[in-house]
Amino acid sequence: ETGVTQSPTHLIKTRGQQVTLRCSSQSGHNTVSWYQQALGQGPQFIFQYYREEENGRGNFPPRFSGLQFPNYSSELNVNALELDDSALYLCASSRQGGTEAFFGQGTRLTVV
Amino acid sequence: AQTVTQSQPEMSVQEAETVTLSCTYDTSESNYYLFWYKQPPSRQMILVIRQEAYKQQNATENRFSVNFQKAAKSFSLKISDSQLGDTAMYFCAFMKLDGGATNKLIFGTGTLLAVQP
Repeated sequence: ETGVTQSPTHLIKTRGQQVTLRCSSQSGHNTVSWYQQALGQGPQFIFQYYREEENGRGNFPPRFSGLQFPNYSSELNVNALELDDSALYLCASSRQGGTEAFFGQGTRLTVV
Repeated sequence: AQTVTQSQPEMSVQEAETVTLSCTYDTSESNYYLFWYKQPPSRQMILVIRQEAYKQQNATENRFSVNFQKAAKSFSLKISDSQLGDTAMYFCAFMKLDGGATNKLIFGTGTLLAVQP
């Protein structure tokens, strides 16, 4: 197991609600990336955080936002949830510019 | 834009035998990495093997090896002496090296490998 932890492991929300997912990065890692993995698909890059700032973003709307804290942990926030937001959300930590990403076990979000 | 294609949605292999998973990619970049990740039912992505594009020698990690054909943009994974614990979804992934900026992974759609006893 890696040192990347995500919480919660499962979550059920109603359409229109807001959700916050959390990620603690591996010791020594200063960069956190978030991915969305829809059922039967590969993960899609949402965004990356480095030094508490967004450092690259995929093709996701502004209602997907994030934070990184001084201890390098991170949050993913999704506003105005839609049914299509139902997915496994994966967090990965790495060193800035590094090529090896360590993933957490993900948060399974279900929007009903 | 880069794309990664895995054309085998599912594969099956007998325990102790060898299996090869296919992956092709498209890019105009010259400086990049390719990866194979394993995702067991526990959902955690685990790095299996990594290949640097500028290295001609194919990477190996114990029972896992790759066949990297840069001109053909092909990157297959060979698993030798398959074990029941190898049962998982396998994802091929691409990373463009951006000089310290965002090094994001671009994943294929995955191949579900079942190792049969």
